[in-house]
Amino acid sequence: GDSVTQTEGQVALSEEDFLTIHCNYSASGYPTLFWYVQYPGEGPQLLFRASRDKEKGSSRGFEATYDKGTTSFHLRKASVQESDSAVYYCALSPDSNYQLIWGSGTKLIIKP
Amino acid sequence: DPKIIQKPKYLVAVTGSEKILICEQYLGHNAMYWYRQSAKKPLEFMFSYSYQKLMDNQTASSRFQPQSSKKNHLDLQITALKPDDSATYFCASSHSSGQGGTGQLYFGEGSKLTVL
Repeated sequence: GDSVTQTEGQVALSEEDFLTIHCNYSASGYPTLFWYVQYPGEGPQLLFRASRDKEKGSSRGFEATYDKGTTSFHLRKASVQESDSAVYYCALSPDSNYQLIWGSGTKLIIKP
Repeated sequence: DPKIIQKPKYLVAVTGSEKILICEQYLGHNAMYWYRQSAKKPLEFMFSYSYQKLMDNQTASSRFQPQSSKKNHLDLQITALKPDDSATYFCASSHSSGQGGTGQLYFGEGSKLTVL
């Protein structure tokens, strides 16, 4: 079945560090890929999405590029801030149905 | 103003009791969902409804029963509560009948349930 894999359960960085959170997926066709962010005490909210190979999604300095060749949608940010501390979820919506498949989430901790 | 209202925000229950979690959305969406989040499973899909009809149920236990009295309401009744039911329950909504589709999911702030 379709799946999303986030390899990092937690990432700890200092302010202004470069961020990469890895997301790999398994699905047929061209699923729509999403990044959601969840701040403490809140529900997840959409960061951005992409639906075509090589399409770049971006928001708030975060970006990810849909790569069908490597089945990846890695989240990157050039310079993280303390306010970016949150849990980040990668997700996909397959072609054949609308069920959203979620990764296990990556907690980003920004050290002062 | 929050567009998805969940009540209560926090609740404590005793084992064996019953609770109802309330969810109302004011986004004009036709699809609504329940998710559960705990230490064991970071974000777990439970139910999806479209136009007040059940579309998908990934909850093994019949102790969890969604109730939709209006298009913009989807409450969650939980009976015979167990300590393992302790979690934060999130309500969400979307334009399409699917969770992804062409639109995005909008989540409420959650109801944190503790079962003693």
